[in-house]
Amino acid sequence: DAGVTQTPRHEVAEKGQTIILKCEPVSGHNDLFWYRQTKIQGLELLSYFRSKSLMEDGGAFKDRFKAEMLNSSFSTLKIQPTEPKDSAVYLCASSFQGAGTEVFFGKGTRLTVV
Amino acid sequence: QQQVRQSPQSLTVWEGGTTVLTCSYEDSTFNYFPWYQQFPGEGPALLISILSVSDKKEDGRFTTFFNKREKKLSLHIIDSQPGDSATYFCAASETGNTGKLIFGLGTTLQVQP
Repeated sequence: DAGVTQTPRHEVAEKGQTIILKCEPVSGHNDLFWYRQTKIQGLELLSYFRSKSLMEDGGAFKDRFKAEMLNSSFSTLKIQPTEPKDSAVYLCASSFQGAGTEVFFGKGTRLTVV
Repeated sequence: QQQVRQSPQSLTVWEGGTTVLTCSYEDSTFNYFPWYQQFPGEGPALLISILSVSDKKEDGRFTTFFNKREKKLSLHIIDSQPGDSATYFCAASETGNTGKLIFGLGTTLQVQP
């Protein structure tokens, strides 16, 4: 069984560039999450989709971060324009609908903005 | 303001010893508490979880305890192994029909042979 697939695994961007991160959730999962992981802030929720509908768009990240889910098997996270403070690991996760169900994470994309 | 707090931030134990990680939370509506394990370069993976209707759940060398009154939980690892060296996150899920998790900042565990 394929887990959550994220591409690319590493991305280096110059300040001001636009980058797009990609995610393929586990087949059949209804919920999809984007998290940002840093040492200081830990895992912060960026966006949450249920059955392709955007349920939550993390307030602090709204201005330059945009997540989309064009179909049930593919999601993107666009950061535009990038800033050095965006350097972090971006994790995509998916699960079946409902509380108490296991959330599966991808390996993440490590973004470095210079 | 962290809704889920973990301690310690880092911990070193000897091989064969018992590891204890603790977590506390604020929101009394949280009712599902998973622990995730993360190795470098990997995403977090579910280790063990507990619902608020239980006070203990065991899975091999891993046991999680839940104290609803004190809003605390803990993860115990007996016979700790070098392969257990990783970062451990406790998390909490809000009530309702959502899988959204709120994570603690994590504990980095090093098990020395």
